[in-house]
Amino acid sequence: DTAVSQTPKYLVTQMGNDKSIKCEQNLGHDTMYWYKQDSKKFLKIMFSYNNKELIINETVPNRFSPKSPDKAHLNLHINSLELGDSAVYFCASSLQFYGYTFGSGTRLTVV
Amino acid sequence: AQSVAQPEDQVNVAEGNPLTVKCTYSVSGNPYLFWYVQYPNRGLQFLLKYITGDNLVKGSYGFEAEFNKSQTSFHLKKPSALVSDSALYFCAAPEGGYQKVTFGTGTKLQVIP
Repeated sequence: DTAVSQTPKYLVTQMGNDKSIKCEQNLGHDTMYWYKQDSKKFLKIMFSYNNKELIINETVPNRFSPKSPDKAHLNLHINSLELGDSAVYFCASSLQFYGYTFGSGTRLTVV
Repeated sequence: AQSVAQPEDQVNVAEGNPLTVKCTYSVSGNPYLFWYVQYPNRGLQFLLKYITGDNLVKGSYGFEAEFNKSQTSFHLKKPSALVSDSALYFCAAPEGGYQKVTFGTGTKLQVIP
């Protein structure tokens, strides 16, 4: 059973398009996250949701909008995609300080 | 607030030798520290954590980490490296709460056969 699953695994799209990445966790965790990993492998937090409530929103462009329909799901919608959005996006979940469980990532390529 | 630093971009070690991947931290209050590993084209996997208690923390795959308060370090160690340990290793710490964990810049470990 996959603990944190994200789809799609790969996403290639043209500049200006709108796309979504979905994430689901079956661990019963109370907090979910989106992280961005750039080409240098740096990991930066984008958003954090606790029980469907947005609690962290880092300096991310407004084109990125997370949505959490329930505490097991956290989707990421991106409008008007730009070349600089190309990266690997990781979803993760956690239960307090027990550590994160990560999804396998979505490699987004904007052409 | 807490932050972590990984001073080495890459560490090379021969198979069978002990390995150390370094991490230093700055913290106000009690530190919470984590190590994660990322294999190529995979997500990060949790290795171990320090919250309180013994300074030597044992984790997955034979890894351990030593918390040193006087040196503000949390180095990852393994007595005998395997080629399969080659991966990217991240030190991490919550920043003001568990909902925001910040990661170090990562250290690429290369184990040479």
